[in-house]
Amino acid sequence: KAGVTQTPRYLIKTRGQQVTLSCSPISGHRSVSWYQQTPGQGLQFLFEYFSETQRNKGNFPGRFSGRQFSNSRSEMNVSTLELGDSALYLCASSRTQQVVFPEAFFGQGTRLTVV
Amino acid sequence: AQKITQTQPGMFVQEKEAVTLDCTYDTSDPSYGLFWYKQPSSGEMIFLIYQGSYDQQNATEGRYSLNFQKARKSANLVISASQLGDSAMYFCAMRERETSGSRLTFGEGTQLTVNP
Repeated sequence: KAGVTQTPRYLIKTRGQQVTLSCSPISGHRSVSWYQQTPGQGLQFLFEYFSETQRNKGNFPGRFSGRQFSNSRSEMNVSTLELGDSALYLCASSRTQQVVFPEAFFGQGTRLTVV
Repeated sequence: AQKITQTQPGMFVQEKEAVTLDCTYDTSDPSYGLFWYKQPSSGEMIFLIYQGSYDQQNATEGRYSLNFQKARKSANLVISASQLGDSAMYFCAMRERETSGSRLTFGEGTQLTVNP
């Protein structure tokens, strides 16, 4: 069974550009969540999608957006990149949206560097 | 207030010995789940173990066990018979019913080093 796939693994972008990251969840999983990990702020929740609808959003500016497709694949977009957006972006997939359901599997992440 | 607190930025253990990684949490929600993840230098977050707030017994998964003390709001991870491959960052996380959805709140992590 394939795991969570995130592409690309590494990205280097220039300030002011925009970027799109992709996440393909485990087959059958309908919930996809995104997290940003930085040395200073740790792991922070960005947003969650379930059945193509955003269900939760973290405390990030509107430059961060996402969407989910009918096949559950998700993309997140960051516009007008800032140096502080340099981070590891992790995607997690879950089988359902049930609150305490244990399965939350992560991909290997996309390491974004903004120069 | 911090929802998840991991007070040990770094821990060292000898190979084959047991180690306990501390995690305390703060929530007023009676229904919640606690998770431990391992993050090697490659970056992937690997799910290790889960404990639900209503579970009567401590969770175990192979060499991993969770010492759940609900009254103290602690959920410490115990790794028995440490291996060199256990060297990694370990994160404690919580999911609350009130928050809804699959959102996880993470602690700051503990860097574990296993010495040969």
